[in-house]
Amino acid sequence: DTGVSQDPRHKITKRGQNVTFRCDPISEHNRLYWYRQTLGQGPEFLTYFQNEAQLEKSRLLSDRFSAERPKGSFSTLEIQRTEQGDSAMYLCASSPTGREDSPLHFGNGTRLTVT
Amino acid sequence: GEDVEQSLFLSVREGDSSVINCTYTDSSSTYLYWYKQEPGAGLQLLTYIFSNMDMKQDQRLTVLLNKKDKHLSLRIADTQTGDSAIYFCAESGGAGGSYIPTFGRGTSLIVHP
Repeated sequence: DTGVSQDPRHKITKRGQNVTFRCDPISEHNRLYWYRQTLGQGPEFLTYFQNEAQLEKSRLLSDRFSAERPKGSFSTLEIQRTEQGDSAMYLCASSPTGREDSPLHFGNGTRLTVT
Repeated sequence: GEDVEQSLFLSVREGDSSVINCTYTDSSSTYLYWYKQEPGAGLQLLTYIFSNMDMKQDQRLTVLLNKKDKHLSLRIADTQTGDSAIYFCAESGGAGGSYIPTFGRGTSLIVHP
């Protein structure tokens, strides 16, 4: 399977704990995006990388959130001191560079539940 | 800022056509997309259209774009029970040219046998 892979699929954590999610994009894709999706809503943009450079961050990405893509391949999204409001599906997507119309290819997401 | 609006629910009988509508506010949007999401899964790209086109057809799917009214629709011919899912409209390429898609809330399509 050469699609976008996310790990874990589900994560349950207690409020105040830190969590980290991983995304492996399609191998030839240089762009990597993180979105958040809550129940009944569409995906909301969090941040995006081109290779290892983080080029844009949404105001939704509070200082408790940090994303990295150290070698321009896989990416991690860490949430520190989780809150119940962080409960959501975290979606990763990738696309190739060079063409602005390249659509995003999504993974199956990591569902986070903060208790 | 950008805004994408969709009706939340659509119910059709198997074999009928489904039409899902979307409106957007950013007149400089360049690309418009339709994605499908099944329960527990990520988003699957169905089709997309460039803003200088007004129609695109791909097998059972027809996309119509009215750029003047900023209205996009997705028609699914001969709808099947397997088409039951949430359908998201998205736009990108607007002000600033960031090409980061903005999504609507999704339309839940229910297909009755």
